[in-house]
Amino acid sequence: EAGVTQFPSHSVIEKGQTVTLRCDPISGHDNLYWYRRVMGKEIKFLLHFVKESKQDESGMPNNRFLAERTGGTYSTLKVQPAELEDSGVYFCASSLLPGQGTDTQYFGPGTRLTVL
Amino acid sequence: GQQLNQSPQSMFIQEGEDVSMNCTSSSIFNTWLWYKQDPGEGPVLLIALYKAGELTSNGRLTAQFGITRKDSFLNISASIPSDVGIYFCAGSFLNTDKLIFGTGTRLQVFP
Repeated sequence: EAGVTQFPSHSVIEKGQTVTLRCDPISGHDNLYWYRRVMGKEIKFLLHFVKESKQDESGMPNNRFLAERTGGTYSTLKVQPAELEDSGVYFCASSLLPGQGTDTQYFGPGTRLTVL
Repeated sequence: GQQLNQSPQSMFIQEGEDVSMNCTSSSIFNTWLWYKQDPGEGPVLLIALYKAGELTSNGRLTAQFGITRKDSFLNISASIPSDVGIYFCAGSFLNTDKLIFGTGTRLQVFP
């Protein structure tokens, strides 16, 4: 069974440009999460989808970030316009069952975003 | 916001040695998790803890959920070169899937 996949693996853009990250969860997983790790810091939660609905978007930094999950399958995270502080590794995770943090979240390899 | 204090930040040990790392929080967690991240990969779940006081093993790994629900430790016995990586603790609160991560412990194992 394929794991969580993310595309691209790396992206280098200039400040002010737009970048779109994609995540394909494990097939059949209704729950999809985005996290971000800024260099040397903790991995921080961004948001949680249940199917196509945003269950929790409390971690989204600001309105330059837009996450979508049309059709409840893959998800995209768009950053527009990108700022220097957006640099980091963006992880996507998926899980089968919702609620109470008891179901394993499987992480993708991440997209390393560098904003120059 | 919520914060997990993870220590140590990094460890350099010799193959065969035992390792211990821990996380503390000012908040009470419902679940404690330990993940490992290999270079170029995403975090992989090692051990999940669901009850205060719970002690769980997974091969050479042992982790405990603190009685106060505010801390956890991970021990690795008889380390081997493939133990190299970054270890993260993570916690979650009741009725939420959102994981709160520690800052990670970078482990290096020398032969």
